[in-house]
Amino acid sequence: KQEVTQIPAALSVPEGENLVLNCSFTDSAIYNLQWFRQDPGKGLTSLLLIQSSQREQTSGRLNASLDKSSGRSTLYIAASQPGDSATYLCAVRKGTYKYIFGTGTRLKVLA
Amino acid sequence: GAGVSQSPRYKVAKRGQDVALRCDPISGHVSLFWYQQALGQGPEFLTYFQNEAQLDKSGLPSDRFFAERPEGSVSTLKIQRTQQEDSAVYLCASSSNRGPLEAFFGQGTRLTVV
Repeated sequence: KQEVTQIPAALSVPEGENLVLNCSFTDSAIYNLQWFRQDPGKGLTSLLLIQSSQREQTSGRLNASLDKSSGRSTLYIAASQPGDSATYLCAVRKGTYKYIFGTGTRLKVLA
Repeated sequence: GAGVSQSPRYKVAKRGQDVALRCDPISGHVSLFWYQQALGQGPEFLTYFQNEAQLDKSGLPSDRFFAERPEGSVSTLKIQRTQQEDSAVYLCASSSNRGPLEAFFGQGTRLTVV
């Protein structure tokens, strides 16, 4: 059974810091991995999607990497801003449809 | 529409009431998913549709939960005889069946059973 773990569960950093969020999964047979952002009381906003054949994806200050063999992905946020405060969720897609989510990392960036 | 739309955004139900939650996926998206998110947890898979066919309902927690997508577009998640443990955010997502299969989520419906 696929399990997805995110570490740390919560993180508080001063503005301007670079930071790394970690996601690990137990079954490397995934179709893709997607990182989402969730603001309090809101739905999920897709940040980056990495297909199983890819190693990383970048969007602005965000960079996500994928190492299927070790069952790990990292989300790197450069020069963090207070507006980055949210919960970050990673999800692995098993087969062609079912997403399995981690429990998320709650990020707070202090001004 | 531009994104996945869910209604209502908030629903308060008395225990024992039936509720119906609606999802309008992105136009043309073949795949539709329902997820349940308890407070402080990640979303948990409920069910999956490909067009009008419900291909996987393994995540539905009990036979009080029922989902349909009769014309392969709008979907409804129905919960009968609601109980307090049904209180959660219900998220709908859709994706195309081509390319990277990126999932797009709606804003969710927050259900509170009192």
